[in-house]
Amino acid sequence: GAVVSQHPSWVICKSGTSVKIECRSLDFQATTMFWYRQFPKQSLMLMATSNEGSKATYEQGVEKDKFLINHASLTLSTLTVTSAHPEDSSFYICSARDPGIRETQYFGPGTRLLVL
Amino acid sequence: AQTVTQSQPEMSVQEAETVTLSCTYDTSESDYYLFWYKQPPSRQMILVIRQEAYKQQNATENRFSVNFQKAAKSFSLKISDSQLGDAAMYFCAYRTRDDKIIFGKGTRLHILP
Repeated sequence: GAVVSQHPSWVICKSGTSVKIECRSLDFQATTMFWYRQFPKQSLMLMATSNEGSKATYEQGVEKDKFLINHASLTLSTLTVTSAHPEDSSFYICSARDPGIRETQYFGPGTRLLVL
Repeated sequence: AQTVTQSQPEMSVQEAETVTLSCTYDTSESDYYLFWYKQPPSRQMILVIRQEAYKQQNATENRFSVNFQKAAKSFSLKISDSQLGDAAMYFCAYRTRDDKIIFGKGTRLHILP
C-alpha cells in the first residue's frame, strides 16, 4: 500500500515554543491530507482537512490560529502547533488520500508531542 | 451528523479461537464506506478491511471478515484463528461524503495464549 511518513516521530518542547510536524506522501501525490489528534487511550479526532494550494478546513472547536496547517505541495503538509502549552501534549497523526484509490486513506506513523 | 459506536471497550479471546467485535453507526447517506482499522502498540494505524455500502456481499480479507447489515446499520468484525499478533486496539470507522473519517472509540483486543 501507499506510504505516508511523519517527522519528527516524537518531540519535547518548552511551553511557549512552536513545533512543526511534517506529513509526506512518499509514493503518491495527495491533494488532500488530514490531521488527527489522539489522547491516551482515546480515539482519533479529526482536527482539520489540508488541501493543496488552498486554506485548510478546521473542525469545530479546533483553533486555526493555534494549529497552523500548510499544504504547499502535493506530497507535503505541515502542522505547526504555535505557542505550545502542556495541554497540547498529544499524539498527532496525519493521513493522505490517494486520488487513485479514493476511498482509502493511508496513515502516517504519528508524532508524539510533549510540552513541558 | 454521522456517528460510530463501539460498545465493547475491551475483549479477550483465546489464541486460535474466533472473536467478533461489534460496531454500529448512524447516517442518512445511502452510499458510504466503512472500515476497520487496527492500532498496535506502535500506534501505526493499519487498515484491516473495508466495505462499500452499496455492495451486499460481506468483505473478507484472509482471517478477517465483516458482517455488514445495512438496514440495521451494523458492521461487526470477525477474526478467525486469533493470533498473538492480532492484539491491538481496533477502530470501526465511517467515511463521510467529503472524505472525512469518523472513528468509534475503539475496542482493545487481548489474545490469551
